[in-house]
Amino acid sequence: GAVVSQHPSWVICKSGTSVKIECRSLDFQATTMFWYRQFPKQSLMLMATSNEGSKATYEQGVEKDKFLINHASLTLSTLTVTSAHPEDSSFYICSARGREYNEKLFFGSGTQLSVL
Amino acid sequence: AQSVTQLGSHVSVSEGALVLLRCNYSSSVPPYLFWYVQYPNQGLQLLLKYTSAATLVKGINGFEAEFKKSETSFHLTKPSAHMSDAAEYFCAVSRPSLNTGFQKLVFGTGTRLLVSP
Repeated sequence: GAVVSQHPSWVICKSGTSVKIECRSLDFQATTMFWYRQFPKQSLMLMATSNEGSKATYEQGVEKDKFLINHASLTLSTLTVTSAHPEDSSFYICSARGREYNEKLFFGSGTQLSVL
Repeated sequence: AQSVTQLGSHVSVSEGALVLLRCNYSSSVPPYLFWYVQYPNQGLQLLLKYTSAATLVKGINGFEAEFKKSETSFHLTKPSAHMSDAAEYFCAVSRPSLNTGFQKLVFGTGTRLLVSP
């Protein structure tokens, strides 16, 4: 199957700093990418959907100025957590799909963010 | 390390028939287990989850799953398929962390459910 690479897998940062998470489709063109977060002991929640070349669509309750998503190319989407605070500490995971694999969804390995 | 195996990338059923989607997990510690569904052009949605309480878990849309430790399985079932159930289903396992509460999800490769009239 296809590979979705997510980097970094773990990041610790100070409160007030910004953190960028990358999601790359290594062997297919990802026309759509999804970003999720998981709070401790809870299930995965969709944050936003991004289509290449257009603005991301955010789910209700997700601050678009806080979580900046850029899907500038067919193989890369980035999520930037701006002015991170401890309550942003969470597990973030991306997924991607493309025509080469009949729109099947593939997941990145996730990023655990800890804000001190 | 934890892992999930979903047998069958595609499952086809007739409307009204039983739905059975298989998931086997591997975990060195008691796991949390999840089933997610992705409808066309949408993101993942949680169907149900097992977090060490009742072994038979009921979810949305008439789905349920049973945790069987002896078989390391968490198969998803629905007594009667509906056309609207056609979607891709993902099984996932995570390891609860008592210290941080964080858990890393590991997904299966997904099973596409096809429902014919």
